[in-house]
Amino acid sequence: NAGVTQTPKFRVLKTGQSMTLLCAQDMNHEYMYWYRQDPGMGLRLIHYSVGEGTTAKGEVPDGYNVSRLKKQNFLLGLESAAPSQTSVYFCASSETQGSNQPQHFGDGTRLSIL
Amino acid sequence: KQEVTQIPAALSVPEGENLVLNCSFTDSAIYNLQWFRQDPGKGLTSLLLIQSSQREQTSGRLNASLDKSSGRSTLYIAASQPGDSATYLCALHTGGFKTIFGAGTRLFVKA
Repeated sequence: NAGVTQTPKFRVLKTGQSMTLLCAQDMNHEYMYWYRQDPGMGLRLIHYSVGEGTTAKGEVPDGYNVSRLKKQNFLLGLESAAPSQTSVYFCASSETQGSNQPQHFGDGTRLSIL
Repeated sequence: KQEVTQIPAALSVPEGENLVLNCSFTDSAIYNLQWFRQDPGKGLTSLLLIQSSQREQTSGRLNASLDKSSGRSTLYIAASQPGDSATYLCALHTGGFKTIFGAGTRLFVKA
């Protein structure tokens, strides 16, 4: 009954370092999303995927890359971390884009860039 | 441009009180509206989803309504409990892959 699992849960990076956040879902969902949540703001979509091998840009894609090599996994990469990327990152998935389909979220990755 | 506002940003109530959380939006062209609960350090848990053609949804002590003409949704919590303390977020799916989230209302229920 795992749902959406994100690793790692916490990470501290230095400016310029790179890292990859992993999201895994066991619900056989087609759609997956990466959001960031900043204090006082709503979640903002970084990138999303409509199926294995596909990715697309969301609202705030700059500085991030993604890959969906397997249906159950969606990876978010930071090539050269910047302090402005300090945030809480959430992965979500949904079965389809139907109006009755909710998004299911992971517990988040708290990332600090020094 | 669709904007989503949740007021108040924080709310403190005594246990047992019935309460209403508000979500307002500027464009009535929505696909669905979802209410989430977020506990500190945790992800978002879906509470209720209202499709564009629906007016309300109920689950236990929770009732969510949707009025597109006035650009409002409310989340009603009956007989609040300390365990209801959390941040409540509303999110509008406006079609395509666009979901717009409010900043949330932080609720504290005092025992």
